[in-house]
Amino acid sequence: AQSVTQLDSHVSVSEGTPVLLRCNYSSSYSPSLFWYVQHPNKGLQLLLKYTSAATLVKGINGFEAEFKKSETSFHLTKPSAHMSDAAEYFCVVSDGGNTGKLIFGQGTTLQVKP
Amino acid sequence: NAGVTQTPKFRILKIGQSMTLQCTQDMNHNYMYWYRQDPGMGLKLIYYSVGAGITDKGEVPNGYNVSRSTTEDFPLRLELAAPSQTSVYFCASNPGQGGGEKLFFGSGTQLSVL
Repeated sequence: AQSVTQLDSHVSVSEGTPVLLRCNYSSSYSPSLFWYVQHPNKGLQLLLKYTSAATLVKGINGFEAEFKKSETSFHLTKPSAHMSDAAEYFCVVSDGGNTGKLIFGQGTTLQVKP
Repeated sequence: NAGVTQTPKFRILKIGQSMTLQCTQDMNHNYMYWYRQDPGMGLKLIYYSVGAGITDKGEVPNGYNVSRSTTEDFPLRLELAAPSQTSVYFCASNPGQGGGEKLFFGSGTQLSVL
């Protein structure tokens, strides 16, 4: 069965410093992986996706993630945090069937300090 | 084009009451989903549907029922509300096979059962 584990429930950075949100996955086949963002009292928005093309995936708002099969990781990074990046971030894996079902990690709360 | 619309946005129920969470999409998507989000737990799939007249259970279906009489609507029914059903509920849709990148989320329904 597919699963994802987000290694940090809460990350705090200063504005202008790098962001690293960690995610490990478990999958019996080559997975489709995603990062979603949820701002307070808002719905979820897709940041980026990996679907077995380039291992370094670029998303919106300057975020990117690298798929590392040897480490079963899909960490999310951003070179310089902005106050507007403060949100909840979810690492997500597709369940592999043809139903479009997604399996979510527990989420990481990103705090950005001035 | 409104996307995925959920109503109500907030609701307080007493134990044992019933209610229906409404979800409608105007994108003619075949696939629709109901997720619940508990604090620190990510999103869990309750039910999903791959087309009108077809529904199936997700990870946490107990205490809920769904129907899909039309492509547009996918209501979620709580028959006997329990405190464990206090959560934020998200409806989502997907135009077809393949997940994640094509998933559109509603803005959520915050439900409290007291």
